[in-house]
Amino acid sequence: GDSVTQMEGPVTLSEEAFLTINCTYTATGYPSLFWYVQYPGEGLQLLLKATKADDKGSNKGFEATYRKETTSFHLEKGSVQVSDSAVYFCALSDTGSTLGRLYFGRGTQLTVWP
Amino acid sequence: DSGVTQTPKHLITATGQRVTLRCSPRSGDLSVYWYQQSLDQGLQFLIQYYNGEERAKGNILERFSAQQFPDLHSELNLSSLELGDSALYFCASSVGSLGTDTQYFGPGTRLTVL
Repeated sequence: GDSVTQMEGPVTLSEEAFLTINCTYTATGYPSLFWYVQYPGEGLQLLLKATKADDKGSNKGFEATYRKETTSFHLEKGSVQVSDSAVYFCALSDTGSTLGRLYFGRGTQLTVWP
Repeated sequence: DSGVTQTPKHLITATGQRVTLRCSPRSGDLSVYWYQQSLDQGLQFLIQYYNGEERAKGNILERFSAQQFPDLHSELNLSSLELGDSALYFCASSVGSLGTDTQYFGPGTRLTVL
């Protein structure tokens, strides 16, 4: 079945460091890929998405490129801030059907120190 | 603020009891999804409704049921509660039911079963 594997955390970085959170997926169809972020005590917010191979999603300095050949959607940011501290979830949905259900990775806790 | 509202924010109850969680989707969204977030299982899809009809079922227990009303709000009913049902329950909504549609999440209802 469809699934997402993302790197285990926690990840601890200093402010202005480079961030990479790895995400790989398994899917039978042609999924859309998403990164969601969850701040403490809040619901999930969409960070970025990509709906087809080679698409690059970007938002707030974060980027991820849909790589079909490596079944990956790694999240990157060139210079993290303290305010980026949160839990990041990679997710996929199958565009081969009319079902929009999302499959989530386990989440990666990011802590950024000043 | 995603525009998705969930009530109540917190719920504390005893084993064997029944509770109802309520979700109001964003204005104009026809799809409602329910997800369960727990430490051991992570984020799991429970069920999806589209314009009042059940569209997809995930890992939803038989003790759980849901419905979407004509005004498009949705309720998730959990009965014969067990300790293991303690979790954060999220509702999400999207304009359609396709995998490319962005899902907007509510703040969640934290259920504690004692």
